[in-house]
Amino acid sequence: EPEVTQTPSHQVTQMGQEVILRCVPISNHLYFYWYRQILGQKVEFLVSFYNNEISEKSEIFDDQFSVERPDGSNFTLKIRSTKLEDSAMYFCASRDRAGLHYGYTFGSGTRLTVV
Amino acid sequence: DQQVKQNSPSLSVQEGRISILNCDYTNSMFDYFLWYKKYPAEGPTFLISISSIKDKNEDGRFTVFLNKSAKHLSLHIVPSQPGDSAVYFCAAGGGTYKYIFGTGTRLKVLA
Repeated sequence: EPEVTQTPSHQVTQMGQEVILRCVPISNHLYFYWYRQILGQKVEFLVSFYNNEISEKSEIFDDQFSVERPDGSNFTLKIRSTKLEDSAMYFCASRDRAGLHYGYTFGSGTRLTVV
Repeated sequence: DQQVKQNSPSLSVQEGRISILNCDYTNSMFDYFLWYKKYPAEGPTFLISISSIKDKNEDGRFTVFLNKSAKHLSLHIVPSQPGDSAVYFCAAGGGTYKYIFGTGTRLKVLA
């Protein structure tokens, strides 16, 4: 079954450093998403991306965050200057135009720890 | 943002019995509802969905019920199995296909 692949699985970074989280969505999917889950809390929407541009973003997704699809396969989330409160699991997801179930497929996540 | 709520943080059920997980939402514009299952250190895995034009959708042991007037949905698992032990998230969305997730219910199925 096709998978969404995320790397690295765990990233530790110093506060104030830039991090890039990488995702390879399912190849024929057109819509891409980043969500995050702070430990013990709900899965929160960050941003959606379609046709090479952001289609929607949440209040969390401020100027410190950016997304990019640099080639036909990768989808990245960059945090410019990390803060302690950015520590969370970050999930990438993708869907095709008319998914079987209107939902999307998630990757296994990247655990980001800011120290 | 409390648009989607799962008021029970945990639920324990005996193997073979029915598990009922509940979810409430506030936004009447939501059109699609999903249930995801999540194991530790893994991403959420899609289970079952329902659109607002239906009140029930069934897939094997999993059935989702939607009560639009009450803005309530539930997931029934029958019979429950130990492998069903996980955190279950409901999610609701509208035409943008951005989904709002609930806080999750940790289901433990006891052998």
